[in-house]
Amino acid sequence: EAGVTQSPTHLIKTRGQQATLRCSPISGHTSVYWYQQALGLGLQFLLWYDEGEERNRGNFPPRFSGRQFPNYSSELNVNALELEDSALYLCASSLGLILNEQFFGPGTRLTVL
Amino acid sequence: KQEVTQIPAALSVPEGENLVLNCSFTDSAIYNLQWFRQDPGKGLTSLLLIQSSQREQTSGRLNASLDKSSGRSTLYIAASQPGDSATYLCAVSRGGGSQGNLIFGKGTKLSVKP
Repeated sequence: EAGVTQSPTHLIKTRGQQATLRCSPISGHTSVYWYQQALGLGLQFLLWYDEGEERNRGNFPPRFSGRQFPNYSSELNVNALELEDSALYLCASSLGLILNEQFFGPGTRLTVL
Repeated sequence: KQEVTQIPAALSVPEGENLVLNCSFTDSAIYNLQWFRQDPGKGLTSLLLIQSSQREQTSGRLNASLDKSSGRSTLYIAASQPGDSATYLCAVSRGGGSQGNLIFGKGTKLSVKP
């Protein structure tokens, strides 16, 4: 069974640009979560989508946004990139609310120059 | 506000030693607790999930316990091997409704020396 996949693996952008990160959940999983892991800050929750709807978001500015498609894949958009957005962005999926065990993808390393 | 703390931040042990990693959380109203390992620059690998109604879970050389009332969990690793070297993360979820996201500790970086 294929795990959670993310693309691209690495992404280099300059300040002010926009970045789009993609995630495909494990087959059958309806929930997708996005987390940011910046150096020294630990893993911070960004966004949670379930059945196409945003269920919760973390303490991040509105320039962090995303969506979930009918096939449950998801994309994270970061507008007006800032240097401190440089981080590893991790996507996780789960079956939904019942068990809520989350399985993570390999991440996208975003570097903002 | 839920806060998760992991002690120690780093640990170095010789191969073969049994070891315990600690995790504490401030709000006992959790739905479940997960232990993960993360290799440098990589994603997270789920090790064990403990539901709030459970006291412990075991997988191979790993055993995780949960004491909700005291806000603590421990991850026991038996007969450590160099391949166990990684950062171990503990995370809690309140579950259901709008509380499904995980809240992470900052991890314990484990180094097992041959």
